[in-house]
Amino acid sequence: SQTIHQWPATLVQPVGSPLSLECTVEGTSNPNLYWYRQAAGRGLQLLFYSVGIGQISSEVPQNLSASRPQDRQFILSSKKLLLSDSGFYLCAWSVSGGAAFFGQGTRLTVV
Amino acid sequence: TQLLEQSPQFLSIQEGENLTVYCNSSSVFSSLQWYRQEPGEGPVLLVTVVTGGEVKKLKRLTFQFGDARKDSSLHITAAQPGDTGLYLCAGPGYSSASKIIFGSGTRLSIRP
Repeated sequence: SQTIHQWPATLVQPVGSPLSLECTVEGTSNPNLYWYRQAAGRGLQLLFYSVGIGQISSEVPQNLSASRPQDRQFILSSKKLLLSDSGFYLCAWSVSGGAAFFGQGTRLTVV
Repeated sequence: TQLLEQSPQFLSIQEGENLTVYCNSSSVFSSLQWYRQEPGEGPVLLVTVVTGGEVKKLKRLTFQFGDARKDSSLHITAAQPGDTGLYLCAGPGYSSASKIIFGSGTRLSIRP
């Protein structure tokens, strides 16, 4: 069966520090991968998605970037965090046109 | 821009009551999904509807896809405290089916 791992679960980082969140998927090949951000109690904002290694689509211009160095690995990064980067970050995978399956999320607080 | 708007944004009702929440768009979707999310966790898929007019039932939850595939509803019968959570609809983008767009969510609270 497929599983998705996302870490860390919580993170507190100072303004201006770098960020690296990692997500890996097991049990499936060539999945679509996604990074979403969620404000408290609200819907999911799509940040990036990837349909293959090295292929990244950016949905919202911002202080973040994403990379997919391996088929089942998706990384969300920032060189210098802003206060507005705080939020709940969710990684997900899907088969094209199908439903999304999510990791447990990372609660990022920038202080 | 494809948008999915959900209503109401918040809903608080007494245990045992019925409720309906809505997911609407001006765009046609090839399919729509419904998810439930609990605090601090990722959303969990409840159902996918594909055909216009389709109705799917999951215990006390009834999902309907509009005939024109621009809207969907979720009806809960005899709500229970365990139904509490954030309900999200989502669908694939028309420019890329790989892009999954989520609605704004309905936060549901069931009072015992």
